[in-house]
Amino acid sequence: EVQLVESGGVVVQPGGSLRLSCAASGFTFDAYTMHWVRQAPGKGLEWVSLIRWDGGSTNYADSVKGRFTISRDNSKNSLYLQMSSLRTEDTALYYCAKDMYPDSSGYYGPGDYWGLGTLVTVSS
Amino acid sequence: EIVMTQSPATLSVSPGERATLSCRASQSVRSNLAWYQQKHGQAPRLLIHGASTRATGIPARFSGSGSGTEFTLTISSLQSEDFAVYYCQQYNNWPPYTFGQGTKLEIK
Repeated sequence: EVQLVESGGVVVQPGGSLRLSCAASGFTFDAYTMHWVRQAPGKGLEWVSLIRWDGGSTNYADSVKGRFTISRDNSKNSLYLQMSSLRTEDTALYYCAKDMYPDSSGYYGPGDYWGLGTLVTVSS
Repeated sequence: EIVMTQSPATLSVSPGERATLSCRASQSVRSNLAWYQQKHGQAPRLLIHGASTRATGIPARFSGSGSGTEFTLTISSLQSEDFAVYYCQQYNNWPPYTFGQGTKLEIK
C-alpha cells in the first residue's frame, strides 16, 4: 500500500525558515517524480514544486522560486521542501504527491497518491 | 501559464441525479487533464487522468470527456459520498501544473 506521510509543519514568523519532510513507502520511491502541492485555508490547490527521480531536475512555481528548495534522499525514501523567507501568503496545508508515471516512461502526469498534508502557518 | 477555469462554482444536485462539471483551459492541453475529488478535511483523490481514463478503483459512474480546451466530468447517478469539491488540473504545459478553482457539489 502506498503511503505518504508529511511532517514538519509549524507556526513560524514571517521571514523565517522551515523544512518539510515526506516519508514514502509502498512503492519504488526512486523510480518516480515527486511533487509538493499546497492549499491555503479555504482555498484551492496550488502546485509548488517537483523533483525528478534522481534529484537531477527540479521545477518551481513562480510564487516560491528562489525561496523554496525541493530535494530528496532516495536511500531514506524521503522528500523534502526547504522553505525560507516565508511570507504570510505561504500559510497552507502542504501535500506531497507521487507522480502517476515512472520516470522511465518519459511521461509526467498528475499525482495519483497524496499524503494527508502538514500545516504551515506564517504569522507574527 | 495555462489558466484553468471551472464552472459552475457550486452545483446543487439531488442524490440519484446526474451531475455535469466543466473545465476550460486558456490554451490547448490536449488530453493531459486530470480530475480530483476532495472531501472536507481529506487529501485530493485522483479520479480521472488523460481526460477520460478512470484511476484505479474509481467507480464507473464517474466519467470524463473532452480534449483541447473543453472538458467535462460527469457523475451519472450521485451517491451521498460524491458530494465534495472537484478540481481539474492540466499537466500538458509545465511548469507550472495548474488547477482550476474547484466546483463544490452539494446536495439539493
